[in-house]
Amino acid sequence: DIQMTQSPSSLSLSVGDRVTITCRASQGISKYLAWYQQKPGKVPKLLIYAGSTLQSGVPSRFSGSGSGTDFTLTITSLQPEDVATYYCQRYNGDPFTFGGGTRVEIK
Amino acid sequence: EVQLLESGGGLLQPGESLRLSCAASGFAFKNYAMNWVRQAPGKGLEWVASISDNAAVTYYSDSVKGRFTISRDNSNDTLDLQMTSLRVDDTAVYYCAKARSATVVAALNAWGQGNLVTVSS
Repeated sequence: DIQMTQSPSSLSLSVGDRVTITCRASQGISKYLAWYQQKPGKVPKLLIYAGSTLQSGVPSRFSGSGSGTDFTLTITSLQPEDVATYYCQRYNGDPFTFGGGTRVEIK
Repeated sequence: EVQLLESGGGLLQPGESLRLSCAASGFAFKNYAMNWVRQAPGKGLEWVASISDNAAVTYYSDSVKGRFTISRDNSNDTLDLQMTSLRVDDTAVYYCAKARSATVVAALNAWGQGNLVTVSS
């Protein structure tokens, strides 16, 4: 099975900082990669699909890039409401594996 | 507005069975693949099962294969997860999630509020 590895597992940055989260697939998955945001105590929310397409309604400070095995989620200017755990997920085939998550906190 | 409302969770003993349901509204349910995703307490997201729009295709994670069955009723806009031979490590919040397309090869763009299943002796 294809494994999805996220890094870092957690980070603490200041408001306004640039956030970069990486997701690596153990085999190529083309652009079949989604990013989700889960705020504390809340339901997951789709941010990006197809590696880089922003879901409707998601702020433009979020962006995704990559294809094949290496993907990146970027928040250009961290805001207090971005405190959450972020997950990547491959969906090119079974099993539709999630990464382990990256917890983002404000310093 | 897309709404997914799960029901059926509870406290069970190992080996017991349970059926979760998800009532969908606000979209053409029959045109979209659906999924179950779970999250153990304090842990990350784990994909459980997927079903295509017409139920022709289903997939399961290895951890539930042979024990869980995903199904749907496109006449009543409902998604079910029949869980048998429950184990302590099945304890989790179970989310019903809508795919972006008819096929299971799609990101999940709407999620239910989650339903807690606790398996304990």
